Amino acid sequence: AQKVTQAQTEISVVEKEDVTLDCVYETRDTTYYLFWYKQPPSGELVFLIRRNSFDEQNEISGRYSWNFQKSTSSFNFTITASQVVDSAVYFCALSETGANNLFFGTGTRLTVIP
Amino acid sequence: DAGITQSPRHKVTETGTPVTLRCHQTENHRYMYWYRQDPGHGLRLIHYSYGVKDTDKGEVSDGYSVSRSKTEDFLLTLESATSSQTSVYFCAISEWTGQETQYFGPGTRLLVL
Repeated sequence: AQKVTQAQTEISVVEKEDVTLDCVYETRDTTYYLFWYKQPPSGELVFLIRRNSFDEQNEISGRYSWNFQKSTSSFNFTITASQVVDSAVYFCALSETGANNLFFGTGTRLTVIP
Repeated sequence: DAGITQSPRHKVTETGTPVTLRCHQTENHRYMYWYRQDPGHGLRLIHYSYGVKDTDKGEVSDGYSVSRSKTEDFLLTLESATSSQTSVYFCAISEWTGQETQYFGPGTRLLVL
């Protein structure tokens, strides 16, 4: 069975601090895909990254970075030098081979305090 | 911008009434999805479509039906709305299977009184 756990329900940081959002997943597939989405206060869902299970290379995009570790079934997301505009709910999601939907975690609400 | 619109964006209705939500895309993607978002649950798949007239159930399909008569439109119908269907509904599209990135519409906030 597939499952995505985001244990951090809410996180508050002061602007310019670094913050890591945790994502732990469960799957029996050897090939799967992991995603992060951002949901700002306006409500839309914004795609951030997609990672294949056979590519464990970490990725950096500006202030965002992602650490994928198959050994611990984790796909953590770090924001460096956080800004107020980073305040949002962040969702981690999993897609398995042959599946036609995303399994979402319950989300982490990040508040960046100016 | 993935070219997805949803209508209406907000709706208040009464228990027992039928409700239809519309998702429209402009990029001819084959796959379309309906999710609902509820506190403590993240997003959960209701139904999806893999082509015109081709649909299948998702995780939480009870009480919902869908139709896709044109590539660009995917309709979600609540035949007889209940208060438990109060939620935010998101449509999504992807070019191919679920392993491809799904892009989401702006959402429809539905309140069933």
